[in-house]
Amino acid sequence: EVQLVESGGGLVKPGGSLRLSCAASGFTFSSYSMNWVRQAPGKGLEWVSSISSSSSYIYYADSVKGRFTISRDNAKNSLYLQMNSLRAEDTAVYYCAGGNTVFDYWGQGTLVTVSS
Amino acid sequence: EIVLTQSPATLSLSPGERATLSCRASQSVSSYLAWYQQKPGQAPRLLIYDASNRATGIPARFSGSGSGTDFTLTISSLEPEDFAVYYCQQRSNWPGTFGQGTKLEIK
Repeated sequence: EVQLVESGGGLVKPGGSLRLSCAASGFTFSSYSMNWVRQAPGKGLEWVSSISSSSSYIYYADSVKGRFTISRDNAKNSLYLQMNSLRAEDTAVYYCAGGNTVFDYWGQGTLVTVSS
Repeated sequence: EIVLTQSPATLSLSPGERATLSCRASQSVSSYLAWYQQKPGQAPRLLIYDASNRATGIPARFSGSGSGTDFTLTISSLEPEDFAVYYCQQRSNWPGTFGQGTKLEIK
């Protein structure tokens, strides 16, 4: 059974940092591109960042470029998102999603709240 | 950036009825369009990829069509569990943008 389990969310003050993790199991993690997608409360889905299977290709949404860093450790079947200089508008549920072309697999999400 | 516009924003139907959801792209995405279903408190689930291919385990009542800029998700006969929010997503160009969603609610 495919499982993606996010962790690391929580309450952080504006300007602060958080590191999200996503633990994968049940599929060949090292063969898949991985992604972060977020959803602000009551809003739609927003793609945040993607990383190719070997970390050769990395992409960011303009809204997070320069502040967020995606990475992965294929030996640990894990995906990460380092989030710095957080803003109120970054408040959202963050999902990790696996897929080379579309998002086949999704975790249940972790809530990040940026508030003073 | 490619913008996806979904219509209607809300669709009110009864179980057993046919649902037709639309997604229009601001420029051609060829057939590189996917549909996802999201229920309250849950993660999205992939339904359709490459415009018309059902993902693994998706019932046959879900079908997708279209190419270029105009796409349709059809649910042939609504089951109670189908009432949810549906998103389209393109993968033709980075970033892989999503539409704003269509809420399918029980009439």
